[in-house]
Amino acid sequence: ETGVTQSPTHLIKTRGQQVTLRCSSQSGHNTVSWYQQALGQGPQFIFQYYREEENGRGNFPPRFSGLQFPNYSSELNVNALELDDSALYLCASSLGGPGETQYFGPGTRLLVL
Amino acid sequence: QKEVEQNSGPLSVPEGAIASLNCTYSDRVSQSFFWYRQYSGKSPELIMSIYSNGDKEDGRFTAQLNKASQYVSLLIRDSQPSDSATYLCAVNIRRDDKIIFGKGTRLHILP
Repeated sequence: ETGVTQSPTHLIKTRGQQVTLRCSSQSGHNTVSWYQQALGQGPQFIFQYYREEENGRGNFPPRFSGLQFPNYSSELNVNALELDDSALYLCASSLGGPGETQYFGPGTRLLVL
Repeated sequence: QKEVEQNSGPLSVPEGAIASLNCTYSDRVSQSFFWYRQYSGKSPELIMSIYSNGDKEDGRFTAQLNKASQYVSLLIRDSQPSDSATYLCAVNIRRDDKIIFGKGTRLHILP
């Protein structure tokens, strides 16, 4: 067990809707990263938060946004869902700063119809 | 050139043999390298991290890093059927301290 939890485990939405995915890290884990993993692909970096500030972003449009809270929880918001957003969404946290060893939560599988 | 590259496989290895997984990366100043294992339908789990040139051993696993050639590899000795999974290589891209993953190599251990 990594001590990183995510909710919900599965989610079905329709195109155009909005979704919020949640992640809870271990106490003291100041860095959280979010990844999107499509079937058969490696995790794609969405963005990273360090001490509640966005600290890096991958090649994802602005409709992907996030927040990190003082209690080591975070969320990923996706607006105007598209069919291609169907994927496994992973959060990973690290005790050290950005670039340090990350531990993954179990993921949220999102299906957009 | 992609930031982290891996052969997608599948790589088939007989039970008991050594499995060798390779990864190359483009960022010359990367300092941190990670290997994760991912079973189908599950999230990645950390096998080991490596930061210095040379070998690092942990049980049946050995990570090898060569920064001059920009590659990192993972050896699995005495391969077991339970080692069948996708192995993900991850690299800390120093210019913005984000960790980038390769596409992963599917490993199949033949009983």
